[in-house]
Amino acid sequence: SAVISQKPSRDICQRGTSLTIQCQVDSQVTMMFWYRQQPGQSLTLIATANQGSEATYESGFVIDKFPISRPNLTFSTLTVSNMSPEDSSIYLCSGAGRGEDTQYFGPGTRLTVL
Amino acid sequence: QKEVEQDPGPLSVPEGAIVSLNCTYSNSAFQYFMWYRQYSRKGPELLMYTYSSGNKEDGRFTAQVDKSSKYISLFIRDSQPSDSATYLCAMSRRGSTLGRLYFGRGTQLTVWP
Repeated sequence: SAVISQKPSRDICQRGTSLTIQCQVDSQVTMMFWYRQQPGQSLTLIATANQGSEATYESGFVIDKFPISRPNLTFSTLTVSNMSPEDSSIYLCSGAGRGEDTQYFGPGTRLTVL
Repeated sequence: QKEVEQDPGPLSVPEGAIVSLNCTYSNSAFQYFMWYRQYSRKGPELLMYTYSSGNKEDGRFTAQVDKSSKYISLFIRDSQPSDSATYLCAMSRRGSTLGRLYFGRGTQLTVWP
């Protein structure tokens, strides 16, 4: 299984600013994903990070708000842009290797927007 | 109707009890079923993974899938305080490398000594 790390682990940000979250995997994975976990809610998929091309976004999420990069098979970033208090949440990245049918998660980034 | 329903609890049991956690779902196309454990301030950790219907056992944990009833369960035998966590069910139509995961809200479990 892949070991996934995220930076920062937590942050407190001001309204209108942007935060970039980094996700690093210790081995090459085929797929990388970004999720949001709001209090009392299930994990919601934001997008699939595609290597070398634009991410695939789920309904309700747009590139202008959540730009994603994935320059190689082990690294991805998610930016939360023009933040508002409604963006306060835990953001998680996950990865799945070739031939695997499950995903492994990073520890999450706890974001608070004031 | 949400695609995956899971009672959020909280559930509180004494050490040694048998714990039963459940999820129901509406999409008959789901074929892959997973249980994740999430400790406070940590990411979800994969516990069990099953394909289609049937049972799977791993130590004190047993996962059951009943596709005819669209119902999955996780049983924990001889529960321990270290099992205290939030348990998330997840499922997908295809393998996760190709298809998205659909999660329940999670059930918060406390096992007291």
